[in-house]
Amino acid sequence: AQSVTQLGSHVSVSEGALVLLRCNYSSSVPPYLFWYVQYPNQGLQLLLKYTSAATLVKGINGFEAEFKKSETSFHLTKPSAHMSDAAEYFCAVSDQRGTSYGKLTFGQGTILTVHP
Amino acid sequence: NAGVTQTPKFQVLKTGQSMTLQCAQDMNHEYMSWYRQDPGMGLRLIHYSVGAGITDQGEVPNGYNVSRSTTEDFPLRLLSAAPSQTSVYFCASRYRDFNEQFFGPGTRLTVL
Repeated sequence: AQSVTQLGSHVSVSEGALVLLRCNYSSSVPPYLFWYVQYPNQGLQLLLKYTSAATLVKGINGFEAEFKKSETSFHLTKPSAHMSDAAEYFCAVSDQRGTSYGKLTFGQGTILTVHP
Repeated sequence: NAGVTQTPKFQVLKTGQSMTLQCAQDMNHEYMSWYRQDPGMGLRLIHYSVGAGITDQGEVPNGYNVSRSTTEDFPLRLLSAAPSQTSVYFCASRYRDFNEQFFGPGTRLTVL
């Protein structure tokens, strides 16, 4: 079984400040990990993904995430927040094999607010 | 390519009514899935399909039916709508060899 926990349902930062969105996962087999972003009234867009290559993954819009197996974490960061980053962010996990292969399990989401 | 398309964008039903949410993709993806999104709960998998003629249940399948007669289409049927099915529904697709899932724009359903 796999699961995802996103710490903090709401995160608020000032424009130019560091963005840190936390994600911890559990998986019985090596996982694939994803971060998706959802802007208001839109579908989900892939920000970045970890598929067992480099542990530091760079995505679109200046975001990156680091896979830490020992901590079962995949936190999302951006050095300097922009107003346009305001959205809801979802962490998701998928098993690389087994009965859960290919099925995405999502965290509950974190709403990011960026203040001027 | 249009990607993943969903119709309708909005729908209001009365309890007990039936309807079908349409999903189509033009990327020749083998895998297609339906999710529902509820506040504070992320997205939960309803049903999925690994190819034409093959479907399986996800995390929250009760009250929903699916079929996959073609690679392109994956409709979701509500046989007797209930207020608990008020949600935003997303369809997604991907290639069989593992890759990112592409999401449609969603259908916002309200059941009164």
